[in-house]
Amino acid sequence: DGGITQSPKYLFRKEGQNVTLSCEQNLNHDAMYWYRQDPGQGLRLIYYSQIVNDFQKGDIAEGYSVSREKKESFPLTVTSAQKNPTAFYLCASSGPVTDYSNQPQHFGDGTRLSIL
Amino acid sequence: AQSVTQPDIHITVSEGASLELRCNYSYGATPYLFWYVQSPGQGLQLLLKYFSGDTLVQGIKGFEAEFKRSQSSFNLRKPSVHWSDAAEYFCAVGAGNYGQNFVFGPGTRLSVLP
Repeated sequence: DGGITQSPKYLFRKEGQNVTLSCEQNLNHDAMYWYRQDPGQGLRLIYYSQIVNDFQKGDIAEGYSVSREKKESFPLTVTSAQKNPTAFYLCASSGPVTDYSNQPQHFGDGTRLSIL
Repeated sequence: AQSVTQPDIHITVSEGASLELRCNYSYGATPYLFWYVQSPGQGLQLLLKYFSGDTLVQGIKGFEAEFKRSQSSFNLRKPSVHWSDAAEYFCAVGAGNYGQNFVFGPGTRLSVLP
């Protein structure tokens, strides 16, 4: 079955360390997204990518970086500049950007990042 | 810019009772509206969506939602709740073709009493 795979499920970061969260999809979707989820705040958009080799900042991009070298993959790096990285991170994807109904509808199971 | 409010942070209902979760949005044009469900430690699953046409939308797991333009609302309903419906529910609004205009509400946590 097609879907989105996020790994690892749990991740721990030391102070001053960069960590990378993996997101892979086999849905042949053009667009991919990273969200951060904190209790009581819903989901906030970190970065999104509509096509390979292109990505845009979302509402809370500071302290994060991404790459989109392949259609299937959209890894997120949480850098040491992100001072409060403890959160649940969700990756999503959606179909061709020319489709008006194209909205993030397919989510991975998330990665929970904690600070040691 | 669009926004979404979910007035109820936490709702508790008894199994078999009816359910209504409230969602209000702010957007200048006709929005795309969605309801998602999230079980603990999991991703989000799409329950239903409204783009246009019939204002009463049927979704999965026996859920439905009604779009009311005059009230800027998109409330989620279920006639008889099951214990497995206990989860977090998110309303979301989108505008345009791209995900950067997609905004989630803060969520409503549903607890179900046996």
